[in-house]
Amino acid sequence: EAGVAQSPRYKIIEKRQSVAFWCNPISGHATLYWYQQILGQGPKLLIQFQNNGVVDDSQLPKDRFSAERLKGVDSTLKIQPAKLEDSAVYLCASKENQGAVGNTIYFGEGSWLTVV
Amino acid sequence: GEDVEQSLFLSVREGDSSVINCTYTDSSSTYLYWYKQEPGAGLQLLTYIFSNMDMKQDQRLTVLLNKKDKHLSLRIADTQTGDSAIYFCAERNSGYSTLTFGKGTMLLVSP
Repeated sequence: EAGVAQSPRYKIIEKRQSVAFWCNPISGHATLYWYQQILGQGPKLLIQFQNNGVVDDSQLPKDRFSAERLKGVDSTLKIQPAKLEDSAVYLCASKENQGAVGNTIYFGEGSWLTVV
Repeated sequence: GEDVEQSLFLSVREGDSSVINCTYTDSSSTYLYWYKQEPGAGLQLLTYIFSNMDMKQDQRLTVLLNKKDKHLSLRIADTQTGDSAIYFCAERNSGYSTLTFGKGTMLLVSP
């Protein structure tokens, strides 16, 4: 079974530029998450989707971050304009919601962003 | 609010047992998880425990849960150098089923 796919793996941009990250969850997984992991810290939730609807975006800095999951499958996370403190790994994760294994959240390998 | 605390660093010798501890605050947590993160990689799910259990064993891994004290531990038997990584404890919030992570414990296994 293919895992959660993310791209690009690495991105370096200058502050005030924009960047977009793409995520393809595990097939059939209805719930999709974006987490931000700053170096030396644990991941923090940015946004949670259930199919194509937003369940929780309370921690998303909406003045510069946006995310969408238009068809309930792939998702994109955009940062515009980027700040130095946005340097982090952006992790996408998905969950099935069905049966016993529906409680397991699977993570992609992350998109590493450096803002200079 | 939810908060998850872990010790930051643990060093053991190959072949010894490792015990990584975690405390959490949300008494309504339904599931508690342990994830492993190797350098440059994403999070790999190691194991999880339902909140009505007090122990779960999976090969070299043993998870102990003390719900009264909100304390979770991960024991790795016969620790190998390949176990060197950062281990994250996470609690699943009962509402939106999101995860709240600790800051991670770096496990260093020396030969």
